[in-house]
Amino acid sequence: EDQVTQSPEALRLQEGESSSLNCSYTVSGLRGLFWYRQDPGKGPEFLFTLYSAGEEKEKERLKATLTKKESFLHITAPKPEDSATYLCAVQLTTDSWGKLQFGAGTQVVVTP
Amino acid sequence: NAGVTQTPKFQVLKTGQSMTLQCAQDMNHEYMSWYRQDPGMGLRLIHYSVGAGITDQGEVPNGYNVSRSTTEDFPLRLLSAAPSQTSVYFCASSQGGDLSLYEQYFGPGTRLTVT
Repeated sequence: EDQVTQSPEALRLQEGESSSLNCSYTVSGLRGLFWYRQDPGKGPEFLFTLYSAGEEKEKERLKATLTKKESFLHITAPKPEDSATYLCAVQLTTDSWGKLQFGAGTQVVVTP
Repeated sequence: NAGVTQTPKFQVLKTGQSMTLQCAQDMNHEYMSWYRQDPGMGLRLIHYSVGAGITDQGEVPNGYNVSRSTTEDFPLRLLSAAPSQTSVYFCASSQGGDLSLYEQYFGPGTRLTVT
């Protein structure tokens, strides 16, 4: 059975305290892995697409990496505005472009 | 360019009532999807469409109907609302074909409560 698991469920950081979020997946065939950010009361907002092991993508204080079994989202020197829920999702090679499978998310709180 | 719009933002229904959640996009995207989001469970796919006139079931389709008569619109119908359908509903759209350009755009969501 295809599964996407995110850890930890919640993360509380001090401003400037770097950390990593994990997204592990067991799927039959991966077309791509996606990271989204979701603010309270809003829809998810796209961050990154990764589609081959060893790939890395960066955006401001965020860096996403991909291996054959998992992806990491590194937050370097976070600021309070980085507080959000971070979602990862996978798209399978056997699935339509409209179909993503999401993990439950990691809620990140960054305190000043 | 409004992106993906959803109406209403909030809705309260009584058990057994029916209603339609509206979703529209102005990006000429082929693919549209409906998800529900429940605490601790992430986003789960209800139905999706790969183009006008073509729809398919996702992970949790029971109790919901969809149709897609135009590229722009993808309404979600609740046939007979149940308390288990209390959730936040998100519509999304995307243009497939090239993974390097792939991005799924989400609407702002509809918060539905069934009493």
